[in-house]
Amino acid sequence: QKEVEQNSGPLSVPEGAIASLNCTYSDRGSQSFFWYRQYSGKSPELIMSIYSNGDKEDGRFTAQLNKASQYVSLLIRDSQPSDSATYLCAGIWGYQKVTFGTGTKLQVIP
Amino acid sequence: AAGVIQSPRHLIKEKRETATLKCYPIPRHDTVYWYQQGPGQDPQFLISFYEKMQSDKGSIPDRFSAQQFSDYHSELNMSSLELGDSALYFCASSLHRGEGVSTEAFFGQGTRLTVV
Repeated sequence: QKEVEQNSGPLSVPEGAIASLNCTYSDRGSQSFFWYRQYSGKSPELIMSIYSNGDKEDGRFTAQLNKASQYVSLLIRDSQPSDSATYLCAGIWGYQKVTFGTGTKLQVIP
Repeated sequence: AAGVIQSPRHLIKEKRETATLKCYPIPRHDTVYWYQQGPGQDPQFLISFYEKMQSDKGSIPDRFSAQQFSDYHSELNMSSLELGDSALYFCASSLHRGEGVSTEAFFGQGTRLTVV
């Protein structure tokens, strides 16, 4: 069983602050990790993918992968109220299922 | 860009009826995943297909079956529906790039199934 674990939150940050979301996984075999954002009642939306160790930046989002320590993180800079959602960390092992963490609920307070 | 298409978007069925959900993956994607998500829960993996063959199986009830067709679209068949089957059902697709590596999985808008 490949497990992906997240702190379920909720994580509350003031508008304009940096939100830090963390995820750990138990199987070293994955080469692909993703962060999805999901608004209530909507489908998960891919916001970041990361395949190699280090940082990957896209606008206000930065994903970090550390395969040795088996964790993935997502930083959201200049957080906006519209960023309030549940963030799902996910990994793919081979061509099997996308395994999700339980999600972290983020609340950005105006 | 083309996305994952699911149909229908909403479906209301009575207990013990049958439902069929359809998923059309992104063109050239060869892998399809099905997920069930209840209120306030994370998506639960049901089943996946790679190149029209079942590649992995999760918590899919025996009352459910699925397949991937030659045009890569997939159908989830649900029989003897129960009230507890009411949920959002998501389909996602990805492309297997070889050596056990897949591209990102993109999700469809989902089908909201209500069993009454």
